[in-house]
Amino acid sequence: DAGITQSPRHKVTETGTPVTLRCHQTENHRYMYWYRQDPGHGLRLIHYSYGVKDTDKGEVSDGYSVSRSKTEDFLLTLESATSSQTSVYFCATRIRLATDGYTFGSGTRLTVV
Amino acid sequence: ILNVEQSPQSLHVQEGDSTNFTCSFPSSNFYALHWYRWETAKSPEALFVMTLNGDEKKKGRISATLNTKEGYSYLYIKGSQPEDSATYLCAPDNDMRFGAGTRLTVKP
Repeated sequence: DAGITQSPRHKVTETGTPVTLRCHQTENHRYMYWYRQDPGHGLRLIHYSYGVKDTDKGEVSDGYSVSRSKTEDFLLTLESATSSQTSVYFCATRIRLATDGYTFGSGTRLTVV
Repeated sequence: ILNVEQSPQSLHVQEGDSTNFTCSFPSSNFYALHWYRWETAKSPEALFVMTLNGDEKKKGRISATLNTKEGYSYLYIKGSQPEDSATYLCAPDNDMRFGAGTRLTVKP
């Protein structure tokens, strides 16, 4: 278990407000990811990081930004939340690529009203 | 195949039935394929990682095979139990994408 903590676990916010979700890991894993879970789509990659200050976009990155100033923290920010961003957000980490799988956090349920 | 595709999307079986489902993925630049088990209201958990063509992995009643040349993997569950009810995800390693999953429901 990589010791991944996501915060908050649940959040309700209003359309147009900024929201930041935090992913904290204690195992010094290099790679970190943010996914969103939506019915019929499974997990879709928002952004990922391959090291401190090294991030890149995933397939559904519009409306989201990320930052990784420390190995252990990966922040996901919704600059101006929209109802289409209502979802469950999962953070995941990996030690290395290829044969090491993902370890997931418990998820953050975000509702934008 | 440009995307990761899983079929069927959902499956309902009776307790004791054996079942299988498919993950299709781009065969180019293949490194590894991961299978995950995802129970409702929980986080996905790793089942298998497979790397070699012809690979077969087994964990209890669950097994998986891999064909990297044609880009598919099968997951088999023998003698399904209600506790096997979950969504099963596959993820090839080359682009961080997951399939949409196969949702398995096992009825007692």
